[in-house]
Amino acid sequence: GAGVSQSPRYKVTKRGQDVALRCDPISGHVSLYWYRQALGQGPEFLTYFNYEAQQDKSGLPNDRFSAERPEGSISTLTIQRTEQRDSAMYRCASSLEGQADTQYFGPGTRLTVL
Amino acid sequence: AQKVTQAQTEISVVEKEDVTLDCVYETRDTTYYLFWYKQPPSGELVFLIRRNSFDEQNEISGRYSWNFQKSTSSFNFTITASQVVDSAVYFCALSIIPPGAQKLVFGQGTRLTINP
Repeated sequence: GAGVSQSPRYKVTKRGQDVALRCDPISGHVSLYWYRQALGQGPEFLTYFNYEAQQDKSGLPNDRFSAERPEGSISTLTIQRTEQRDSAMYRCASSLEGQADTQYFGPGTRLTVL
Repeated sequence: AQKVTQAQTEISVVEKEDVTLDCVYETRDTTYYLFWYKQPPSGELVFLIRRNSFDEQNEISGRYSWNFQKSTSSFNFTITASQVVDSAVYFCALSIIPPGAQKLVFGQGTRLTINP
């Protein structure tokens, strides 16, 4: 079946602009996670949802970052007033249950802030 | 807090050699999962294996094998008879079994290059 999909795959924006990154999880997966991966580093947790409820947002770096999953399926990660330090690969993952089940990752969105 | 350390930043071997990637983890929790993911040059993150803290049995899948030792907090990954297609960045990760945190904590990754 289809895996996790993310769009856009690449996003180049100017400093100060808002961006919205989309994640479509594997069908039937209850939990959805967002991670950020800087070049040469491992992914770092941002936030996660069970169904539509945001369970943990402790990894969001500041209040310019927000995420939603209004219908318990597709999720959007929004970065307001982007800064150059926001440039990274943003990865979405989903899992079958919210019980530390295996997380399957999408291809990521490469964000470049000029 | 949890921490995963992959001390080997880069490894380069010749095809058909065996290679072991090290992973050391830290957690105060007694129940947790350990994972390995592969990131090939194309950039996606591919799940390889999950082990839980209750099961220290080693696992073998084809040319891949994993050695989990709670006594040394290690979860090492060995590729036997390496092939060029094994070239990738490999990540070790840890998550706590609920009711703890659901997030994966990753190591910094080991870049493995298999030369023909």
